[in-house]
Amino acid sequence: DSGVTQTPKHLITATGQRVTLRCSPRSGDLSVYWYQQSLDQGLQFLIQYYNGEERAKGNILERFSAQQFPDLHSELNLSSLELGDSALYFCASSVESFGGHYNEQFFGPGTRLTVL
Amino acid sequence: TQLLEQSPQFLSIQEGENLTVYCNSSSVFSSLQWYRQEPGEGPVLLVTVVTGGEVKKLKRLTFQFGDARKDSSLHITAAQTGDTGLYLCAGPSTSGTYKYIFGTGTRLKVLA
Repeated sequence: DSGVTQTPKHLITATGQRVTLRCSPRSGDLSVYWYQQSLDQGLQFLIQYYNGEERAKGNILERFSAQQFPDLHSELNLSSLELGDSALYFCASSVESFGGHYNEQFFGPGTRLTVL
Repeated sequence: TQLLEQSPQFLSIQEGENLTVYCNSSSVFSSLQWYRQEPGEGPVLLVTVVTGGEVKKLKRLTFQFGDARKDSSLHITAAQTGDTGLYLCAGPSTSGTYKYIFGTGTRLKVLA
């Protein structure tokens, strides 16, 4: 158990809909990262938040957005869903000292999103 | 753009055999992490290497960071079926963007 929790574990929805994925980081971790992993694909970095502020953006679509709340939990919002958005979405957290040279990340169990 | 390329992409071996997985970049990394991911689960951190030339051992797994900190390797001795999984190297971008870069992955299958 990494200490990172994600809900829901599974999500089935239709094209055009909007969903929210939730992540609670490990106690004490200030950074939260979101990743997308499609079937047989590597991990694609979407976005990172550090202590409530956006720190880095990866290949995140404009239809997707995220935020980190004062209690440090984070939500990833996916809207106007398309079939191709079906994937595993992982959240990870890290302590991340300034500069992030160590950046050891601890991953949650993921949310499997299926868009029909 | 910093990239981490892993080889081989796929590896299928018999139990008891040895293997090495490589992680290469044209860029210097301040540290590299290795993760193992099993189907349907999140990656699990195995090790972090920080110093050029560093060697770390985790039971039958030996990790090495290249002298120039541009590459790393993972050697597994006497592989077991429990070693089956996707192995990923990763590291923090040194371009000042705070991005975290994952390698392309090596999918290992150990046959009984």
